[in-house]
Amino acid sequence: EPEVTQTPSHQVTQMGQEVILRCVPISNHLYFYWYRQILGQKVEFLVSFYNNEISEKSEIFDDQFSVERPDGSNFTLKIRSTKLEDSAMYFCASSEATVRYTFGSGTRLTVV
Amino acid sequence: RKEVEQDPGPFNVPEGATVAFNCTYSNSASQSFFWYRQDCRKEPKLLMSVYSSGNEDGRFTAQLNRASQYISLLIRDSKLSDSATYLCVVKTSYDKVIFGPGTSLSVIP
Repeated sequence: EPEVTQTPSHQVTQMGQEVILRCVPISNHLYFYWYRQILGQKVEFLVSFYNNEISEKSEIFDDQFSVERPDGSNFTLKIRSTKLEDSAMYFCASSEATVRYTFGSGTRLTVV
Repeated sequence: RKEVEQDPGPFNVPEGATVAFNCTYSNSASQSFFWYRQDCRKEPKLLMSVYSSGNEDGRFTAQLNRASQYISLLIRDSKLSDSATYLCVVKTSYDKVIFGPGTSLSVIP
């Protein structure tokens, strides 16, 4: 069964540093998403991406965040100047037609 | 009112029991509805979509009441492997889904 692949599985970074979380969506999917889940809290929508541009974003997704699809296969989330409260599990998801989402196994980001 | 609300749980039930989860959503224009399950520290996985007429998949039955903005999930004959957090998920617009906070289920031998 096709999978969404995320790397790294765990990232530790110092406060103030920039991190890039990487995702390889399912190859024939056209819609891509980032979600985050702070430990013990609910899954929160960050951003959706279609046709090489952001289609929707939440209030969480401010200027600190950016997404990119640099080469037709990877889909990245960049977090600039990380804060302690950015520590969370970040899930990438993709879908064929904005209906059924397949999630990657997540990247656990720890900001120290 | 929160966009998607669920029973807070946790639900602790014996094997073989029937358990029902409830979910309400605030946006009457919501288009699609799903139940996901999430195991501890794992990614959410689609359990089933929820259709207007109600739908069943083995031991799982989902119902949607658009007038009441209410979704339910019924699990019959609970198994130990059903222990997880069940997430009510609502698609509110073209390309945005909102997750409920989840309801934790523990099935006890």
